Amino acid sequence: AQSVTQLGSHVSVSEGALVLLRCNYSSSVPPYLFWYVQYPNQGLQLLLKYTSAATLVKGINGFEAEFKKSETSFHLTKPSAHMSDAAEYFCAVSDRTGGFKTIFGAGTRLFVKA
Amino acid sequence: DADVTQTPRNRITKTGKRIMLECSQTKGHDRMYWYRQDPGLGLRLIYYSFDVKDINKGEISDGYSVSRQAQAKFSLSLESAIPNQTALYFCATSDFGNEQFFGPGTRLTVL
Repeated sequence: AQSVTQLGSHVSVSEGALVLLRCNYSSSVPPYLFWYVQYPNQGLQLLLKYTSAATLVKGINGFEAEFKKSETSFHLTKPSAHMSDAAEYFCAVSDRTGGFKTIFGAGTRLFVKA
Repeated sequence: DADVTQTPRNRITKTGKRIMLECSQTKGHDRMYWYRQDPGLGLRLIYYSFDVKDINKGEISDGYSVSRQAQAKFSLSLESAIPNQTALYFCATSDFGNEQFFGPGTRLTVL
């Protein structure tokens, strides 16, 4: 069965610092992988997705993620944090064994300090 | 207009009451989902539907039921609400294997 583990329920960075949010997945077949962002009092919106094309995926707002099959990881990065990046971030996986339904991680809340 | 709408946006009810949450989408997607969000637990899948005649239980379906009235409509019912069903509920839609589009959520409080 698919699963997703996000390391760290809370991450705090200073404005301008590197953002690194960690995600490891479990899937017995090639997965689709996603990062979603949730701003306060809103639903989730897609940041980026990996669907077996390029392993380095670029998303909106300067975020990117790299698919590493050997490490079963899909970590999210941004070179320079902005105050507006403060939100909750969810990693998610889907694959054909689950009929492509999506399983979400527990989420990581990102705090950005001025 | 929003692609995925949910009604109501907020609801306070009492233990034992029947509650229905409604979801409509204009994306034209076949797949629809209901999730609940609790702090520290992320999103957990309650039910999902891959087309009008297909309904499947998710990881936490006990105490919930659903109805897929049309391709565009998917409702979630709590037959007899209990306090631990207090949560934020999201509806979502997707194409096959692709990104999900979420509604704005319904905040449900069961007293």
